[in-house]
Amino acid sequence: ETGVTQTPRHLVMGMTNKKSLKCEQHLGHNAMYWYKQSAKKPLELMFVYSLEERVENNSVPSRFSPECPNSSHLFLHLHTLQPEDSALYLCASSQGSAAGEGYTFGSGTRLTVV
Amino acid sequence: AQSVTQLGSHVSVSEGALVLLRCNYSSSVPPYLFWYVQYPNQGLQLLLKYTSAATLVKGINGFEAEFKKSETSFHLTKPSAHMRDAAEYFCAVSPSGNTGKLIFGQGTTLQVKP
Repeated sequence: ETGVTQTPRHLVMGMTNKKSLKCEQHLGHNAMYWYKQSAKKPLELMFVYSLEERVENNSVPSRFSPECPNSSHLFLHLHTLQPEDSALYLCASSQGSAAGEGYTFGSGTRLTVV
Repeated sequence: AQSVTQLGSHVSVSEGALVLLRCNYSSSVPPYLFWYVQYPNQGLQLLLKYTSAATLVKGINGFEAEFKKSETSFHLTKPSAHMRDAAEYFCAVSPSGNTGKLIFGQGTTLQVKP
């Protein structure tokens, strides 16, 4: 596999459930990101990991918990979500400080909270 | 601080017509600039990027963009629209020499009419 792979593609969960989103990159990048994309709203950067350390957390509620066990994998653990958390969650990776390379995105996980 | 403004949240063109999607940026340092495309239920795909080399940048699918420092603009164009170009387009800026953090515009939805 190449690029950035996200699983599952679709997820429906109740407000009391616990689930996890998975992201895997096969590009040898050392930075990974979680974005939230809601309808009619700009992309929201949630978390940034560089060399497996969290370097940014943009005031995201604690019901979202990221985990980066190694440079190729990134998880987003979800618990007691709210309906307004329904969105497309995008994972991206980049080669660290090489800002000129941009990001490579996965196809996203469409999350619906019921 | 860096920011990006995309003029027009929705653009509609006829098939075969010129496509022009506008992007203006604000950056206190020389920027890197990007255009991404997002097809329905997909992640973002890099179309092209400007990294301080040639000011006219050619990308995939026949798109190109011109960096104009005097106008702080990076508009995306394509001479002849095709139905498959219907998608959402995002402009993004990154401060050169910094981490890989991208700042995205609000997005522009391109509709192509037969």
